[in-house]
Amino acid sequence: QKEVEQNSGPLSVPEGAIASLNCTYSDRGSQSFFWYRQYSGKSPELIMSIYSNGDKEDGRFTAQLNKASQYVSLLIRDSQPSDSATYLCAVFNQAGTALIFGKGTTLSVSS
Amino acid sequence: KAGVTQTPRYLIKTRGQQVTLSCSPISGHRSVSWYQQTPGQGLQFLFEYFSETQRNKGNFPGRFSGRQFSNSRSEMNVSTLELGDSALYLCASSLTGGKGETQYFGPGTRLLVL
Repeated sequence: QKEVEQNSGPLSVPEGAIASLNCTYSDRGSQSFFWYRQYSGKSPELIMSIYSNGDKEDGRFTAQLNKASQYVSLLIRDSQPSDSATYLCAVFNQAGTALIFGKGTTLSVSS
Repeated sequence: KAGVTQTPRYLIKTRGQQVTLSCSPISGHRSVSWYQQTPGQGLQFLFEYFSETQRNKGNFPGRFSGRQFSNSRSEMNVSTLELGDSALYLCASSLTGGKGETQYFGPGTRLLVL
């Protein structure tokens, strides 16, 4: 069974700080990686996708991928209270037949 | 462009009943995937449809089924409901369901089984 692992949290950071969210995956052949944000009672919304090793930046968000270590991370700079949500890491299995989700990390940003 | 829509948004059923949920994908998207989200198990893949055919299936019992219509709208059906089927059911659409494609989620249908 292919798995995606995340620390459940909660991860608490003060406003303005950098939040670092981590994810590991077991399917070494995975090629596509996604971060979704889910507010309580809402559906997941895409933040970032990343396909190549290295960093990908979009505004205050940076996704980092290391396929050799089977590790994906999301950095949120200048964290805001509105960033408080559950962050889901998702990985397509090698066959491309299913998007596998971690159980999510809950982030709390205090003002 | 309108997003993914799901109906109904909330449902209350009793054990043994069956339920049908509906999903309309983003215009132009032909792949629809269904997920079940529960506090204990998180988001789990149910199945994916493309061009009216189920292409992929997750590890769920046969009580969970679905179909897709020629306009890409999809329905999922759960028969003989059990208490453990209480969950948020999410559908997501993408252009063709390819490996690297982003999936966009609808608002979900929250099902409560009593």
